[in-house]
Amino acid sequence: QVQLVQSGAEVKKPGASVKVSCQASGYTFTHHNIHWVRQAPGQRLEWMGWINVGNGITRYSRNLRERVTISWDTSASTAYMELSSLRSEDSALYYCARGTFFKAFDFWGRGTMVTVSS
Amino acid sequence: QSALTQPPSASGSPGQSVTISCTGTGSDVGGYDYVSWYQQYPGTVPKLIIYEVTKRPSGVPDRFSGSKSGNTASLTVSGLQAEDEADYYCSSYAGSDWVFGGGTKLTVL
Repeated sequence: QVQLVQSGAEVKKPGASVKVSCQASGYTFTHHNIHWVRQAPGQRLEWMGWINVGNGITRYSRNLRERVTISWDTSASTAYMELSSLRSEDSALYYCARGTFFKAFDFWGRGTMVTVSS
Repeated sequence: QSALTQPPSASGSPGQSVTISCTGTGSDVGGYDYVSWYQQYPGTVPKLIIYEVTKRPSGVPDRFSGSKSGNTASLTVSGLQAEDEADYYCSSYAGSDWVFGGGTKLTVL
């Protein structure tokens, strides 16, 4: 069965960076893009960006593109999301999700909680 | 990309129908037939319930249906059941980007 297993919770200080991993299994990794979506406590879902794990092409949301980097390791069937210059408002649950040819997200990781606090 | 506009709340009694709207622009909802809807219970992962405006993944009850007119998409839940009480988010493809709605909390009275 399809699974996206994410790395554990992180606590970071303002100005630091965080890197979250998402290991896929149960399907051919290069056949589906990986998206990253975050959700602050009690808030809406926010799309952050995606990576075509077949060729490495990435695309980021306008308001995060200067701070977010999505990468991948095909040999490990793993995608990564790094967010830099962290602020308190970046405290959120960060999800990876599998993209589909019909432009929706059909499987999601359980989320990684990132807390930014001094 | 600005968030798509959803009503913050909706409600209905068991057995009734409820419709949740999702308004965007011609650059997202109106420009593509790639609107999807997600159901999220508190503390759990979002679940895909509608894709390509009207299609349901396997296992999603046919009580859930989607539609679109112009820049506004809608999710209708017919024959409301207690288990339908959850948050619902719309999402639209926007030409290499994606955008989510603000979410609607559906309460079953």
